Amino acid sequence: AQTVTQSQPEMSVQEAETVTLSCTYDTSESNYYLFWYKQPPSRQMILVIRQEAYKQQNATENRFSVNFQKAAKSFSLKISDSQLGDTAMYFCAFMKPGGGADGLTFGKGTHLIIQP
Amino acid sequence: NAGVTQTPKFRILKIGQSMTLQCTQDMNHNYMYWYRQDPGMGLKLIYYSVGAGITDKGEVPNGYNVSRSTTEDFPLRLELAAPSQTSVYFCASSYGHQMGGYHYNEQFFGPGTRLTVL
Repeated sequence: AQTVTQSQPEMSVQEAETVTLSCTYDTSESNYYLFWYKQPPSRQMILVIRQEAYKQQNATENRFSVNFQKAAKSFSLKISDSQLGDTAMYFCAFMKPGGGADGLTFGKGTHLIIQP
Repeated sequence: NAGVTQTPKFRILKIGQSMTLQCTQDMNHNYMYWYRQDPGMGLKLIYYSVGAGITDKGEVPNGYNVSRSTTEDFPLRLELAAPSQTSVYFCASSYGHQMGGYHYNEQFFGPGTRLTVL
């Protein structure tokens, strides 16, 4: 079974700063997918970014980018030019290959607070 | 497209009562999932289904039952509710490839149901 660990329960930064959220995982799979989800106070789960393990290039989506270190089993999320709307819970998640039939494994989350 | 819809949004149950959480998706997804999110925790998989008539247990299935008679609906049944089942429940769906391999299928989540058992 795989596990996902987020070691930062809460982080707080000033608006416009850059912040990095950490995630480590453990798996015996060689190919898999990793995700960062955002959960604002509305509770809606929003996909922020994804990374395929077989791709060496780090994924980027506008202000969001990841640092994927496969050997170290590390998958951190960097948010540049942070905005007040980025305030939310952020969850790191793992998916085995094969179409995702048996779901996602989530970390416990990091509560990110963007201060004005 | 409404996406994934869940009813009710909130519910309070007494210990020992039963209820069904409804989940419907209109994206013709074959895969559907139920997760629970306890306070301060990530989501944990309760049950999943890869198609109508096929269901399987996830990480935390005890105290729950599911059925999948249609592609669109995936209800979650709680029998004999207990305080430990107080949680937020999320339904999700995706389009899965049966042949497996390197297929990525984004999961779309419903808005969640907040359940309190007293």
